[in-house]
Amino acid sequence: AQTVTQSQPEMSVQEAETVTLSCTYDTSESDYYLFWYKQPPSRQMILVIRQEAYKQQNATENRFSVNFQKAAKSFSLKISDSQLGDAAMYFCAYRSAIERDDKIIFGKGTRLHILP
Amino acid sequence: ETGVTQTPRHLVMGMTNKKSLKCEQHLGHNAMYWYKQSAKKPLELMFVYSLEERVENNSVPSRFSPECPNSSHLFLHLHTLQPEDSALYLCASSQVFLARSNTEAFFGQGTRLTVV
Repeated sequence: AQTVTQSQPEMSVQEAETVTLSCTYDTSESDYYLFWYKQPPSRQMILVIRQEAYKQQNATENRFSVNFQKAAKSFSLKISDSQLGDAAMYFCAYRSAIERDDKIIFGKGTRLHILP
Repeated sequence: ETGVTQTPRHLVMGMTNKKSLKCEQHLGHNAMYWYKQSAKKPLELMFVYSLEERVENNSVPSRFSPECPNSSHLFLHLHTLQPEDSALYLCASSQVFLARSNTEAFFGQGTRLTVV
């Protein structure tokens, strides 16, 4: 079974600085998807960024980028120019690309604090 | 209308009550999920319905009973719950048999359940 591990329960970063959140996963599959979700205090889970395993290029979305290391099964999220609105729980997630394997597995999350 | 809507937002129930949580998605997706989010086990997958067929039942106690009457609606029927069942229950939807660009899950805002 696939697992997702986030080893940092909490992190803090100064506003405008850069922070990296770690995520590792375990799978025997070669084709899959990885995601970072953000859950602010409003509880609404929002997709931050997506990476397809077959793509070697790291995904980027404005201030958010990932470092995808397939061989190491590592998928870290970098937030540049941190803003107060980035304060939230961040979840790393895995989804198999196998047809009819519809589970989306989440890590335990990292709570990110932004210091003004 | 938001993509995924959950009702009610908050629910307090006694251990002998019977209640239901409702989830509705307006995204044209064909898979729906129930997750339980608590301090002890963040984002624990409970049930997955794909094409209205239950494809995952993650060892959930029988006091939780899901129902998926069509691809747009998902219910979680609750009866004789325990205080440890108090948690945030999140519903999500996604597309399966999917094109590569359409892989993430979209979440509702959750139902905060308190069992007294």
